[in-house]
Amino acid sequence: AQSVTQLDSHVSVSEGTPVLLRCNYSSSYSPSLFWYVQHPNKGLQLLLKYTSAATLVKGINGFEAEFKKSETSFHLTKPSAHMSDAAEYFCVVSENAGGTSYGKLTFGQGTILTVHP
Amino acid sequence: DVKVTQSSRYLVKRTGEKVFLECVQDMDHENMFWYRQDPGLGLRLIYFSYDVKMKEKGDIPEGYSVSREKKERFSLILESASTNQTSMYLCASSLSGQGRKNIQYFGAGTRLSVL
Repeated sequence: AQSVTQLDSHVSVSEGTPVLLRCNYSSSYSPSLFWYVQHPNKGLQLLLKYTSAATLVKGINGFEAEFKKSETSFHLTKPSAHMSDAAEYFCVVSENAGGTSYGKLTFGQGTILTVHP
Repeated sequence: DVKVTQSSRYLVKRTGEKVFLECVQDMDHENMFWYRQDPGLGLRLIYFSYDVKMKEKGDIPEGYSVSREKKERFSLILESASTNQTSMYLCASSLSGQGRKNIQYFGAGTRLSVL
């Protein structure tokens, strides 16, 4: 069984300072990991994904995440926050569902990022 | 760009009504999904479909059914709406063939209120 824990429900930063959103996962197999972002009243947009290639993954809008198997973590970072980064972020783990070609996603509870001027 | 379109952004229904939520994708994806999103709970899978007329239960299927008569369209049906089904509903689609590596693409969501 797979699970995801986002360690902070809310994170608040000042514009121009670094962002760190923490995620730990549990998976029986070699998982894929994703970060999605949801702006108010919008659907989910993929930020980045890890699928067993390079452990440091770069995404859109300056975000990146590092897969650390020994720590079962996949934290999301950005060197300098922008006002437009204010949104809810979801860490997601995916495993193959049985013998199918379908990837079952398990979502974390979400982290709301607030950016102050 | 992949486009997943949900027919309504907001819906208000009464308890006991039959409710249809529609989703259409334009990228010829084999897999389609329905989730509900509630504060503090993330997204939870209701049903998914991996082919026309095929469906599988997700984690919280009770009180819901689905229909997939055409590859591009996936409908979520609330047979008799209840207040505890007030939520944001999100549709997604993905290609088949790579399992866990597949990216799911999401629609903008339908916010349903059941009074």
